[in-house]
Amino acid sequence: DIQLTQSPSSLSASVGDRVTITCRASQNINRYIHWYQVKRGQAPKLLIYAASSLQSGVPSRFRGSGSGTDFTLTINSLQPDDFATYYCQQSYTTPLFTFGGGTKVDMK
Amino acid sequence: QVRLVQSGAEVKKPGASVKVSCRTSGYTFTGNYVHWVREAPGQGLEWMGWINPKSGGTNFAQKFQGRVTLTRDTSINTAYMEVKRLRSDDTAVYYCARSYFDFAFGFDYWGQGTLVTVSS
Repeated sequence: DIQLTQSPSSLSASVGDRVTITCRASQNINRYIHWYQVKRGQAPKLLIYAASSLQSGVPSRFRGSGSGTDFTLTINSLQPDDFATYYCQQSYTTPLFTFGGGTKVDMK
Repeated sequence: QVRLVQSGAEVKKPGASVKVSCRTSGYTFTGNYVHWVREAPGQGLEWMGWINPKSGGTNFAQKFQGRVTLTRDTSINTAYMEVKRLRSDDTAVYYCARSYFDFAFGFDYWGQGTLVTVSS
C-alpha cells in the first residue's frame, strides 16, 4: 500500500505569510496527487488536482507542485479564510485511494 | 449546478447498522463514480470505497470490505452506504463525493456530511 506522509502535521502562520506543506509518497505516484482544504463543519474542498492544476474557482494563491514521490502545496499570502486543515490524496493506485494525515494551519 | 445532498444525522447502538443516502443532481448520475469518505473525531480523512452508478460495481478499502455495502438507485440518482456491525470507533462524519471515471481529477464535489454517532 502507498503511504502519504504530510509535514508538518501543524503549523502556525500569520495573514500574509507564505505557507508550504509537503506530501511524500512511499513510492512513485507520478502526478496523481490532489489537495483538499477542510474546515470545521464543512465538506472538504478540492484545491489542486493532478499535482498542479488549480480547481475551478480556487484562488490563484494556492499552488501545487511536484512529481514522483515529493509534492508541495504552497499558499502565497495566507488569507484569513485559509486557516484550515489540508490533506493530500493519491489516486495512482486506483481503484484504491489514500489520504495523507493532514496539516492543520492555525493563526500565530 | 452539481449537488450532493446527504441524509441526516444518525445515532446508533453498537452492533446495529446504519444506511446513509446521497442524493445527486445537476449532472449525469451514471457518468461519475460516487465515493464515500469519513472523518472520525481527531482523525483525518479516510477513503472507504466507491460505486460505479452505471454498472453497480464497487471497490473498498480493505478495512471496510465485508462490513460496508454500497448501492445505488439510478431512478432517483441516489447512492447509499450501509455500515453493519457498528462499533464506537465508527463514530464519524461520513461524506459522499464525486469523481470522474478518470481518477486523475480528484473528488470535485462533496455532500455536506452525515454525522453517525455510535453509542450505547
